[in-house]
Amino acid sequence: DAKTTQPNSMESNEEEPVHLPCNHSTISGTDYIHWYRQLPSQGPEYVIHGLTSNVNNRMASLAIAEDRKSSTLILHRATLRDAAVYYCILLNSGGSNYKLTFGKGTLLTVNP
Amino acid sequence: NAGVTQTPKFRILKIGQSMTLQCTQDMNHNYMYWYRQDPGMGLKLIYYSVGAGITDKGEVPNGYNVSRSTTEDFPLRLELAAPSQTSVYFCASSGQVLANEKLFFGSGTQLSVL
Repeated sequence: DAKTTQPNSMESNEEEPVHLPCNHSTISGTDYIHWYRQLPSQGPEYVIHGLTSNVNNRMASLAIAEDRKSSTLILHRATLRDAAVYYCILLNSGGSNYKLTFGKGTLLTVNP
Repeated sequence: NAGVTQTPKFRILKIGQSMTLQCTQDMNHNYMYWYRQDPGMGLKLIYYSVGAGITDKGEVPNGYNVSRSTTEDFPLRLELAAPSQTSVYFCASSGQVLANEKLFFGSGTQLSVL
C-alpha cells in the first residue's frame, strides 16, 4: 500500500488560513486521497477526498499536485473547533479495498 | 439522523471477563468496520464486514469476535478480556467500497481492562 508522510504537528492562529501538507510519493494512478480529522475525545470525521483535480466543500479545500505526489488540505479560516488530528490517507480503487489505514496524522493547534 | 451509534460509551472490565460492544447504523450501509485506538496512536482495523453474514479479519483480530446477522448491527465481542485490550473502540460504516466513499464513525467506546 502507498504510504503518506505528514508533519507530526502544526500551529495556526484563529481566523487565519491553514495549509496541512501530505506527501505520497509512491501514489498509484488509482489511489484516491482522503482526509479525515479527529477532534479530542471524538470519532474520526470525514473532511474531503479527491483523485486528480482540486476539490472544495463546505469544510475545506484539497489541492493536489500535478504529479499527485503531494497534496495540501486547506482550511480557509481556522477556528478553535478545527483543533484536531488530521489524517491523510490513500485508498486504492482497484479491486476490493475495505481497509482504511490511519497513521499518526498531524496534530493541529489553533491559537486564539 | 442518528448515523452510527455505539454502546456503551465507557466500560471497565476485570481480566478474564467478557463483553459485547454494540454498534448499529441507520444508513442502510453494507460495509461496517471495527477499529481500536490506543493512546497517542492511529486507528487499527480489527474486523470488517461487507454485508450481512460476511465478516473478515483486519490487522489486529486476536482476542475479538464479530457477527453480522443484520445490515444494521455489527457487534464486537471480547471473550477473555486482557489489559492489552484497554483502548478506545470505534465502529464505522460506509455505503460502498471505500476508495470514492465516505466512512462514518460512531463516537467510540472507552474500555479499560484492569
